[in-house]
Amino acid sequence: DVKVTQSSRYLVKRTGEKVFLECVQDMDHENMFWYRQDPGLGLRLIYFSYDVKMKEKGDIPEGYSVSREKKERFSLILESASTNQTSMYLCASSLFLGTGGSNEKLFFGSGTQLSVL
Amino acid sequence: AQTVTQSQPEMSVQEAETVTLSCTYDTSENNYYLFWYKQPPSRQMILVIRQEAYKQQNATENRFSVNFQKAAKSFSLKISDSQLGDTAMYFCATMESVDMRFGAGTRLTVKP
Repeated sequence: DVKVTQSSRYLVKRTGEKVFLECVQDMDHENMFWYRQDPGLGLRLIYFSYDVKMKEKGDIPEGYSVSREKKERFSLILESASTNQTSMYLCASSLFLGTGGSNEKLFFGSGTQLSVL
Repeated sequence: AQTVTQSQPEMSVQEAETVTLSCTYDTSENNYYLFWYKQPPSRQMILVIRQEAYKQQNATENRFSVNFQKAAKSFSLKISDSQLGDTAMYFCATMESVDMRFGAGTRLTVKP
């Protein structure tokens, strides 16, 4: 089975800190994603990457950056954490080929609940 | 980018009964995929069912089935014989190309 691992389940940081959220997948997937989940808003796409060193902005990239130096690892960076970034962060990966096969879906990590105080 | 709307923030159903969750979407693409994901209290996102837009036949997975109306851009999920373990958040999503977009979710409670 595909495994997507997020380094922390819960994280508490202070306003202004630089925060790194790490995500690793073990299935050689090209595509990796960072979502933010908030009540009433669902999952919103922050950034995604379709290859090493490649990144694309999602719907809410402001205040975030990402890094993908290796295929299996995709990091989300909060340069200067703010209280409005308190949220659940979900990482996902996929192998999208456009062929309609059973792997045409996202595989998710178990999430990191970040609190910024 | 595509958008997804789930108009029912919360729903409840009695155990063993049937419930339908609604989803509408907007996309400019002709080739795309549609999904329903379930998120129980454990927070792990679990794929419930998927549908290729080019297929007219509605997808089914055991007690879960969809009603896919491509012209209306509607993709509802029907859960038959509801079980207590179906209690969860349910998210509708569309995938064009690489990225996937989600709706706001519906919190489903199955009552004993």
